[in-house]
Amino acid sequence: EAQVTQNPRYLITVTGKKLTVTCSQNMNHEYMSWYRQDPGLGLRQIYYSMNVEVTDKGDVPEGYKVSRKEKRNFPLILESPSPNQTSLYFCASSLGTGGNTDTQYFGPGTRLTVL
Amino acid sequence: AQKVTQAQTEISVVEKEDVTLDCVYETRDTTYYLFWYKQPPSGELVFLIRRNSFDEQNEISGRYSWNFQKSTSSFNFTITASQVVDSAVYFCALMNRDDKIIFGKGTRLHILP
Repeated sequence: EAQVTQNPRYLITVTGKKLTVTCSQNMNHEYMSWYRQDPGLGLRQIYYSMNVEVTDKGDVPEGYKVSRKEKRNFPLILESPSPNQTSLYFCASSLGTGGNTDTQYFGPGTRLTVL
Repeated sequence: AQKVTQAQTEISVVEKEDVTLDCVYETRDTTYYLFWYKQPPSGELVFLIRRNSFDEQNEISGRYSWNFQKSTSSFNFTITASQVVDSAVYFCALMNRDDKIIFGKGTRLHILP
């Protein structure tokens, strides 16, 4: 079954404690990205990756890191989380071909609370 | 500047009515992609459509249809004969040549039984 998995689904942590949210896809997709969703601000892209070892900043990259060492995984790293990073996070992937049939698949979301 | 505007913050219609969600975009690129996504009350994000800037053909998928007009920089989404299950937040988005995606703020759609 084609899917994007994220872990953990829920996380409550404290300021400054490094954490990683994992994202994995089983469709051999080239394009992967991370988004955060906040009330009143909608969805905003954090980072994206067009292929292994290729990552680029989205709209709101500050305070986040990513890596793409393998095609299937695209972890989101918060080196020193702060309360303003409390949010709902989504990972997504797509083929990256640019065609109209290039469907984007989303993970189920990770709700992060930073105290 | 790249921008996506969904002017309708919230819409309520009675079941079986048709409803159109507006999306206006701004971009300097000649090659770009437009998207619509659905986020039902359960919270997941569902991809609905992707449209290449060179393809202005309208798209129909069941009760859903999309009208792409470059002349007005709009990519509107119509639901025909709406159903309660269509109640959700709908997001329009733009991807430019740099592969970065920008979203509109979303339109919350209520379908009343």
